Amino acid sequence: GQQLNQSPQSMFIQEGEDVSMNCTSSSIFNTWLWYKQDPGEGPVLLIALYKAGELTSNGRLTAQFGITRKDSFLNISASIPSDVGIYFCAGPQRNAGGTSYGKLTFGQGTILTVHP
Amino acid sequence: NAGVTQTPKFRVLKTGQSMTLLCAQDMNHEYMYWYRQDPGMGLRLIHYSVGEGTTAKGEVPDGYNVSRLKKQNFLLGLESAAPSQTSVYFCASSQIFAAKNIQYFGAGTRLSVL
Repeated sequence: GQQLNQSPQSMFIQEGEDVSMNCTSSSIFNTWLWYKQDPGEGPVLLIALYKAGELTSNGRLTAQFGITRKDSFLNISASIPSDVGIYFCAGPQRNAGGTSYGKLTFGQGTILTVHP
Repeated sequence: NAGVTQTPKFRVLKTGQSMTLLCAQDMNHEYMYWYRQDPGMGLRLIHYSVGEGTTAKGEVPDGYNVSRLKKQNFLLGLESAAPSQTSVYFCASSQIFAAKNIQYFGAGTRLSVL
């Protein structure tokens, strides 16, 4: 089945530093989603990418859809304490018949800790 | 502006007890999903529904049942809870449009089975 591998698994950074994380797969995805989960909450969508090579920003966050369609990257600039949480990448599953019924495959997450 | 609401938020069960987790969405979404989240394993799909009256198995369905009698509600049942079902459970809903699918999540139910 499709699997998404995120790295790093965890990061400990100082406030103000930039952060980079990535998500890779052995399968091609036609959509990449990045979610953030705050402690004690459910995941919330940060950025959605629909086209190979696409670069999209949301405030201090920038995500890119890899040209090979097998990877995606998320960067956070000038981190602040509220950036703490778990960041997930996700992509639509594909069944043998080509339909996914909206199902998503999630990476295992990158845990971000920001020290003031 | 409720979105996806899950009840209860916390629950402690003894092995063998049963319970039902409720998910309600007010966005008129067709698709709904139940996930479990365990440390280091991301989100794993338990069951999902593509419309009122329909349900289907995800990747980890054993020990769980679901029902979607009304479009806005998706119930997850544990008939005989086991310690391995200690987890955080998330419900999500989505509406696929122009091949774009974004899932919206509830705040989760934290379940401990002793």
